[in-house]
Amino acid sequence: QKEVEQNSGPLSVPEGAIASLNCTYSDRGSQSFFWYRQYSGKSPELIMSIYSNGDKEDGRFTAQLNKASQYVSLLIRDSQPSDSATYLCAVKNTGRRALTFGSGTRLQVQP
Amino acid sequence: GAGVSQSPSNKVTEKGKDVELRCDPISGHTALYWYRQSLGQGLEFLIYFQGNSAPDKSGLPSDRFSAERTGGSVSTLTIQRTQQEDSAVYLCASSSDNNYGYTFGSGTRLTVV
Repeated sequence: QKEVEQNSGPLSVPEGAIASLNCTYSDRGSQSFFWYRQYSGKSPELIMSIYSNGDKEDGRFTAQLNKASQYVSLLIRDSQPSDSATYLCAVKNTGRRALTFGSGTRLQVQP
Repeated sequence: GAGVSQSPSNKVTEKGKDVELRCDPISGHTALYWYRQSLGQGLEFLIYFQGNSAPDKSGLPSDRFSAERTGGSVSTLTIQRTQQEDSAVYLCASSSDNNYGYTFGSGTRLTVV
């Protein structure tokens, strides 16, 4: 079992719709969770972090964390073609400083 | 500096040669990380530095890989006797002590021919 799992996609949504990206993790003791966006040929950039159960909103982005289910998600409202990218989920595992990344979900927003 | 700087941006090398990749983190960031990303794959952790020491080097794939960091700043990742399977984008990131979210550099694309 991979430590951080994501559906590779592609996830295709029409412009203006809500895109829902999901991630599960295996280390029950994990405390810090991150979403990175990576455009093709570019390096990842941090878009959201979440540390507590529940929702955290930042503009069009909402991160959701459920530690009991070991599940973290990212919602993108009013999706735009410019949101088309690969979204990487990252988790800080117990006793380890370095983040463990999932393999990413490719999102395609259709105009 | 304003961001994480990596050099070179591209490197083509012959199989069996040694290569050095450089990372200059954000000024004041004490934590520095090396990852690599093969085509279409996720990020594979290589090594983590806190200051000049490397408390976690568990991701280095073989003894051909080594890294150092001097002055709590610039880091160099060295790959000896390169193999074709070393071809990847090598990404460096840094973070401050109390923030686990990284800032990545633009990466070095290594091609071993």
